[in-house]
Amino acid sequence: DAKTTQPNSMESNEEEPVHLPCNHSTISGTDYIHWYRQLPSQGPEYVIHGLTSNVNNRMASLAIAEDRKSSTLILHRATLRDAAVYYCILRAGRSSGAGSYQLTFGKGTKLSVIP
Amino acid sequence: GAVVSQHPSWVICKSGTSVKIECRSLDFQATTMFWYRQFPKQSLMLMATSNEGSKATYEQGVEKDKFLINHASLTLSTLTVTSAHPEDSSFYICSASLSAYEQYFGPGTRLTVT
Repeated sequence: DAKTTQPNSMESNEEEPVHLPCNHSTISGTDYIHWYRQLPSQGPEYVIHGLTSNVNNRMASLAIAEDRKSSTLILHRATLRDAAVYYCILRAGRSSGAGSYQLTFGKGTKLSVIP
Repeated sequence: GAVVSQHPSWVICKSGTSVKIECRSLDFQATTMFWYRQFPKQSLMLMATSNEGSKATYEQGVEKDKFLINHASLTLSTLTVTSAHPEDSSFYICSASLSAYEQYFGPGTRLTVT
């Protein structure tokens, strides 16, 4: 599986934008970029995903580099409830049954939000 | 959004006993469910992929006879930890796939084996 590299931790002030980087230099042409987050003592929560174009939803924006070797999750206004571990995950886009659904979690970035 | 529940949310059992954890997709049917394990301050590790009506596929290093998975319906998968030992104490999380793009996670079950 193609791997991702994220900073271990980041800090942000409340109500400020946060840019969480992810490097995935070995990404293949059919890999999707997924972001999940995990609040303490909870299961992960889907945030956003994309393939080539930038994506926006109510939670966040995903900016994907033109060469797709990196991406950035953008939280436009961090709140205390956004404090979590954020995981950047590559998911195989090829049709391989259940395998194409599998998510391999790395260590993620622990985001702390300062009031 | 789609909801996945787990029961129980936490359980304490004695060494040598078995524990069953249920994972349900409440408002959608999931052909595929996944089971993960997470030790303190570590990331999620995939244990097995569960497909409705067929045998689960286990990841390398996961004992299939110790972690029994049953996916009897499109909304229910169970994980049974047999003959549990203290080293099996962990946070067990399931997820269910609505599609290849959407995977929803349960809230997790904290297992403590004494």
